[in-house]
Amino acid sequence: GAVVSQHPSRVICKSGTSVKIECRSLDFQATTMFWYRQFPKQSLMLMATSNEGSKATYEQGVEKDKFLINHASLTLSTLTVTSAHPEDSSFYICSARALLSTEAFFGQGTRLTVV
Amino acid sequence: GIQVEQSPPDLILQEGANSTLRCNFSDSVNNLQWFHQNPWGQLINLFYIPSGTKQNGRLSATTVATERYSLLYISSSQTTDSGVYFCAVPTGGGNKLTFGTGTQLKVEL
Repeated sequence: GAVVSQHPSRVICKSGTSVKIECRSLDFQATTMFWYRQFPKQSLMLMATSNEGSKATYEQGVEKDKFLINHASLTLSTLTVTSAHPEDSSFYICSARALLSTEAFFGQGTRLTVV
Repeated sequence: GIQVEQSPPDLILQEGANSTLRCNFSDSVNNLQWFHQNPWGQLINLFYIPSGTKQNGRLSATTVATERYSLLYISSSQTTDSGVYFCAVPTGGGNKLTFGTGTQLKVEL
């Protein structure tokens, strides 16, 4: 199957700082990537759709100024959590689809802890 | 939007036992995926199964799209099968996934 790599796998940051998470499709090109958030003991919730070369599409209730998404190439999308607060602590996971495919593959996830 | 419910929410098995996990969805879908989330959070693709039955080793899955459900069968369970199992279906024009509520599985020796 296709490989999606996410980095870092774990990060601890101080309240008020920003954190950048990278999502790469290693062996395929992806015009669209997706960012999900998962709180403990809960399911995955879609935050936003990252579109290569254009603005991301955010789900209702997700602050676009807080969660900045950049999709500068067909293999890389980044999520920046700006001015992080303890309530932003969560597990963030990205996914990608190859062109003309409908099967999604996921990165390893990033566990963010804001202290 | 589409609702995706999974059952049971929690399941404890003795090693070697068999189990069936269910995924019900509230609207018609054109594909469905099953994932295993391991204890480290990694989502492993198990099946991409719009309809019919597929098998991969000790795992198999069946989707009956007309009746809006899918089943995941685990046979001869092992401790490494522990984790959370999710089904997910496409929404919003087919590009993004809505995840089910999940089944937390624990396999004990």
